[in-house]
Amino acid sequence: DIQMTQSPSSLSASVGDRVTITCRASQGISNYLAWYQQKPGKVPKLLIYAASTLHSGVPSRFSGSGSGTDFTLTISSLQPEDVATYYCQKYDSVPRTFGQGTQVEVK
Amino acid sequence: VQLVETGGGLIQPGGSLRLSCLASGFNIGNTYMSWVRQAPGKGLEWVSIIYSGGSTYYADSVEGRFTVSRDNSKSTLYLQMNNLRVEDTAVYYCAVPTFDYWGQGTLVTVSS
Repeated sequence: DIQMTQSPSSLSASVGDRVTITCRASQGISNYLAWYQQKPGKVPKLLIYAASTLHSGVPSRFSGSGSGTDFTLTISSLQPEDVATYYCQKYDSVPRTFGQGTQVEVK
Repeated sequence: VQLVETGGGLIQPGGSLRLSCLASGFNIGNTYMSWVRQAPGKGLEWVSIIYSGGSTYYADSVEGRFTVSRDNSKSTLYLQMNNLRVEDTAVYYCAVPTFDYWGQGTLVTVSS
């Protein structure tokens, strides 16, 4: 099975900082990669699909890039409401594995 | 679109439970549907999927113990969970993640 590895597992940044989270697949998955945001006590929400397509209603400060095995989620200017755990998920085939998550905090 | 899960609760190890997910706002027969779980304080774990054609797949951790099914006429997705283990304790979400359709989750606690 293809493994999905996110890094870092947690980060702390200041409001306005550029934040980058990476997700690496152990084998190529083309662009079948989604990113989700889960705020504490809430249901996950889709941010990006097809590696780089912003889901409707998601602020433009979020962006995704990558293809094959290496992917990136970028928050261009971190906001207080972005405190959450972020997950990548492959959906090229089963199992549709999630990454282990990256917890983002604001300093 | 709304997904509403029911059926969670406290169950002893080795027991069985059936989760239901009532969908509205879309036709569940026209898309894949997944179960995703989240153990307390842990990350998201993909559990199973049923495709529109009826094919089903499972995570290794539940293969042979869990069965996903659906009743299109009732717009309902099911997850039959047998031989439950302590490590199956989690909030179980019914979801179509890449469409951003998620239920509110139902808590399954496996404990003696």
